[in-house]
Amino acid sequence: GNSVTQMEGPVTLSEEAFLTINCTYTATGYPSLFWYVQYPGEGLQLLLKATKADDKGSNKGFEATYRKETTSFHLEKGSVQVSDSAVYFCALSDLNTGFQKLVFGTGTRLLVSP
Amino acid sequence: DTGVSQDPRHKITKRGQNVTFRCDPISEHNRLYWYRQTLGQGPEFLTYFQNEAQLEKSRLLSDRFSAERPKGSFSTLEIQRTEQGDSAMYLCASSLKGQANTEAFFGQGTRLTVV
Repeated sequence: GNSVTQMEGPVTLSEEAFLTINCTYTATGYPSLFWYVQYPGEGLQLLLKATKADDKGSNKGFEATYRKETTSFHLEKGSVQVSDSAVYFCALSDLNTGFQKLVFGTGTRLLVSP
Repeated sequence: DTGVSQDPRHKITKRGQNVTFRCDPISEHNRLYWYRQTLGQGPEFLTYFQNEAQLEKSRLLSDRFSAERPKGSFSTLEIQRTEQGDSAMYLCASSLKGQANTEAFFGQGTRLTVV
């Protein structure tokens, strides 16, 4: 079946450091890929998405590229801020289902210190 | 606020009691989803509605769980004879009808604690 594997956290960084959170997936066909973010006390918010191979999703300085050859969708940001502290979830959606059935990774907590 | 709304935000119940959660999706969204998130894990799909029709249910949804979406608007998720293993965050999401890459918007969730 479909699955998503994320690096375990927490990831602890100083402000302005470079961020990478690794995500790999297993899926039949060609899923759409997503990064969701969950700030403390809030619901999941879509951060970015990519729908086909070599697509790059980007938002708020975060980027991720859909790599079919390595089945990966790593999240990167060049300079993190304290306000980026949150839990980040990688997810996929199988187009064959015909609806938005998301399969999530376990989440990676990011802690950014001043 | 036109986001997805869930009620209550927190629920503590004794084992064996029944509980019901409510979700109000974004008004023009005809698709509605329930997910469950246990501590340290990502959300897991439970069930999906298109309008009032429940079109898919996960194996995670045992016979003690029932979800409804009367009139295709708000939805309820009921858990009967709660067990400690039911303790989790229950998330509701909604989206417009479209391809599987259409964005789903999530509510803040209902945290259930079974004691």
